[in-house]
Amino acid sequence: NAGVMQNPRHLVRRRGQEARLRCSPMKGHSHVYWYRQLPEEGLKFMVYLQKENIIDESGMPKERFSAEFPKEGPSILRIQQVVRGDSAAYFCASSPTGERVKEQYFGPGTRLTVT
Amino acid sequence: GDSVTQMEGPVTLSEEAFLTINCTYTATGYPSLFWYVQYPGEGLQLLLKATKADDKGSNKGFEATYRKETTSFHLEKGSVQVSDSAVYFCALLTLTGRRALTFGSGTRLQVQP
Repeated sequence: NAGVMQNPRHLVRRRGQEARLRCSPMKGHSHVYWYRQLPEEGLKFMVYLQKENIIDESGMPKERFSAEFPKEGPSILRIQQVVRGDSAAYFCASSPTGERVKEQYFGPGTRLTVT
Repeated sequence: GDSVTQMEGPVTLSEEAFLTINCTYTATGYPSLFWYVQYPGEGLQLLLKATKADDKGSNKGFEATYRKETTSFHLEKGSVQVSDSAVYFCALLTLTGRRALTFGSGTRLQVQP
């Protein structure tokens, strides 16, 4: 069973460009979460999605950031008009339904560098 | 709000030494508690978990006991190896609220041969 997959692993963008980060959850998992990790810090929650629904986006910046998890295909985290402060590692996690919903499994992350 | 406090690192130990990384928490409701490990350049791996008071999570020689009376979930290992060098994160989850993990700031462990 493949783990959570994220791509690209590394992404370099100039200020003002758009960044698109992709996440494919583990097979059988229908819950997806995005977290951001700034250098030398812990992870901070951004958004929680199920298929075609945003359940909780309380950790998302109000502007420039959006997320989706379509019926088909990976979850996408989009950052428009990137700024240097967006440089961070972005991790996606997924969890199954039922009793094990509390277990979140993380992907390898996308390291975004804004120049 | 929910929060997790971990001891600051780095923690530097010799191989075969005993490890303790302290973790305390504050939470509304009844949280589940987790330890995650992050190796350099990689994502987080779930190391162990405990879902209710007095539960002990264990994996790969690591252990942690959910202590409700002291709101703690300290990570221990009896004999560390060089391969245990990584950053360890304590985290909690309360399903009654946001289904988001709340992480501590992480503790870097360096094990020297």
